[in-house]
Amino acid sequence: NAGVTQTPKFRVLKTGQSMTLLCAQDMNHEYMYWYRQDPGMGLRLIHYSVGEGTTAKGEVPDGYNVSRLKKQNFLLGLESAAPSQTSVYFCASSYTGKTAEAFFGQGTRLTVV
Amino acid sequence: GQSLEQPSEVTAVEGAIVQINCTYQTSGFYGLSWYQQHDGGAPTFLSYNALDGLEETGRFSSFLSRSDSYGYLLLQELQMKDSASYFCAVWGYQKVTFGTGTKLQVIP
Repeated sequence: NAGVTQTPKFRVLKTGQSMTLLCAQDMNHEYMYWYRQDPGMGLRLIHYSVGEGTTAKGEVPDGYNVSRLKKQNFLLGLESAAPSQTSVYFCASSYTGKTAEAFFGQGTRLTVV
Repeated sequence: GQSLEQPSEVTAVEGAIVQINCTYQTSGFYGLSWYQQHDGGAPTFLSYNALDGLEETGRFSSFLSRSDSYGYLLLQELQMKDSASYFCAVWGYQKVTFGTGTKLQVIP
């Protein structure tokens, strides 16, 4: 049972470079989320999607873009990485927004130098 | 918007009981859930309260008072492996907002 899989697990970027983080879930969930986690800040919602072809902004969307072309995949893009985007990124999915149980991927540790 | 408050750190003795509180402010509320996260790991679901009252799952219980915008997680018979961060999370319209987490240290 794969659940939620994030790719890559680790990455170092130079300032100004771009990259895409991939999240894939095999549970047929409608809702998917991208969070970033920084020390003392908890999990902050970047963007989310309530279904294939839809996306919406969360608390901290600046500097990120997302796409949900297929139901099982949710991509997070950084067009021009900045040191402030150094963080651990978690993807999560849930059946709907009311079921309370979100399943998380193992995280992507991103360092921007 | 949504905001949640929980203590940043709690220390408790192995075998004891500990309560982690969470207060929230939100527009649109479906329920309160709790997650556990060990260092270097991903958050994992522990419990969910949509209605007022206590929900029990083994050694863990969670309580919600919607009128007070307050909930807590109760951990009984603490074990060393319970040392982790615990997050409360508010389920609102279409999205989940997490608190900043409580780091629980269990000592012998």
